[in-house]
Amino acid sequence: DAKTTQPNSMESNEEEPVHLPCNHSTISGTDYIHWYRQLPSQGPEYVIHGLTSNVNNRMASLAIAEDRKSSTLILHRATLRDAAVYYCILRAAGNKLTFGGGTRVLVKP
Amino acid sequence: DARVTQTPRHKVTEMGQEVTMRCQPILGHNTVFWYRQTMMQGLELLAYFRNRAPLDDSGMPKDRFSAEMPDATLATLKIQPSEPRDSAVYFCASGLGQGSNYGYTFGSGTRLTVV
Repeated sequence: DAKTTQPNSMESNEEEPVHLPCNHSTISGTDYIHWYRQLPSQGPEYVIHGLTSNVNNRMASLAIAEDRKSSTLILHRATLRDAAVYYCILRAAGNKLTFGGGTRVLVKP
Repeated sequence: DARVTQTPRHKVTEMGQEVTMRCQPILGHNTVFWYRQTMMQGLELLAYFRNRAPLDDSGMPKDRFSAEMPDATLATLKIQPSEPRDSAVYFCASGLGQGSNYGYTFGSGTRLTVV
């Protein structure tokens, strides 16, 4: 499986945007970029995914570099409920998810 | 919202005892995963099934762990005999199969403590 690299942790102030970077320089043409998050004491939760184009949904936005070697998850207005570990994962269609260490996001009131 | 249901939520058992964890995937999902999470190792894939057939169980200690899907509505993960190092949170997830890029849905987990 192609590997992703994320910062260990990030801090943000409440109601400010959060930009979570992910590097995936060995991504293959068939890999989709998936993001999951894990709130304290819960299972991972799907956030968003994309292939080449930027994507938006009710939870977040995903910006994908033109060469696809990096991407950024954007939380537009962080709330205290967004404090979680965010995982960036490369996944071929229908295949398994291999989790790395993720980025722990701390939101300060 | 449809949910993946895992039972029990918590289990404390003595070393050497058999432990069975159960998972009810979302109706219509044909791919089921078992993950284990510890502080040291993070989230590790143990095994996964598609259409009830095992596709990959390379992450699972074969001598004591077994995973099955007796039917499309039930997946089980069994540890026999259990050891203290098996203490972890075990997650089940389900999703649509090959060719699908939708996200997978995880259950709330079974927290296992082996003493």
